[in-house]
Amino acid sequence: NAGVTQTPKFQVLKTGQSMTLQCAQDMNHNSMYWYRQDPGMGLRLIYYSASEGTTDKGEVPNGYNVSRLNKREFSLRLESAAPSQTSVYFCASGGDGTGGIRYNEQFFGPGTRLTVL
Amino acid sequence: LAKTTQPISMDSYEGQEVNITCSHNNIATNDYITWYQQFPSQGPRFIIQGYKTKVTNEVASLFIPADRKSSTLSLPRVSLSDTAVYYCLVFSGGYNKLIFGAGTRLAVHP
Repeated sequence: NAGVTQTPKFQVLKTGQSMTLQCAQDMNHNSMYWYRQDPGMGLRLIYYSASEGTTDKGEVPNGYNVSRLNKREFSLRLESAAPSQTSVYFCASGGDGTGGIRYNEQFFGPGTRLTVL
Repeated sequence: LAKTTQPISMDSYEGQEVNITCSHNNIATNDYITWYQQFPSQGPRFIIQGYKTKVTNEVASLFIPADRKSSTLSLPRVSLSDTAVYYCLVFSGGYNKLIFGAGTRLAVHP
């Protein structure tokens, strides 16, 4: 049981390049989330997916797109990276009270550290 | 959406009890109080959640007074490995209401 996995762990991009961050969970959770965390700050919600086939914007969606490929996988895409997107990106799942887990209990991956030059 | 206020940082020593208080004056009737812990270079981890009175698990205790306008996370006999950032969140499960804030940076010293 790996929990929530994210790839890659580290990435350096040049301004204008694109990339996709991958996330997968093996806990059969319906809900999945993408957050970003800037240095010394808390996490901010970028996008979330309440179930397979649905996605919704969070607090800071501009510059990002997401795909809920299936129940396990939720990817985050940066179409044209900007220095302001330098951050640590966390994927999470759970938190919706289904499947025996508590409301508000989300399970986080190890993060992807992205630098945009 | 209830806003939370907690100290930016705290220092403690090994073996001491640490209490981190969070203020949430505008908490709504349906809101739960949830605490997360984040170690350096890791994602946050759920610690404890409560609605009123006291909740205890193997990691911590959560004290909530009757008016629910504040809550206190209590960590008994901390060790160096408890050095982390602790986040207090107040929300009722809506996805777009998950806001972590800056948290409280706890440093445990030998």
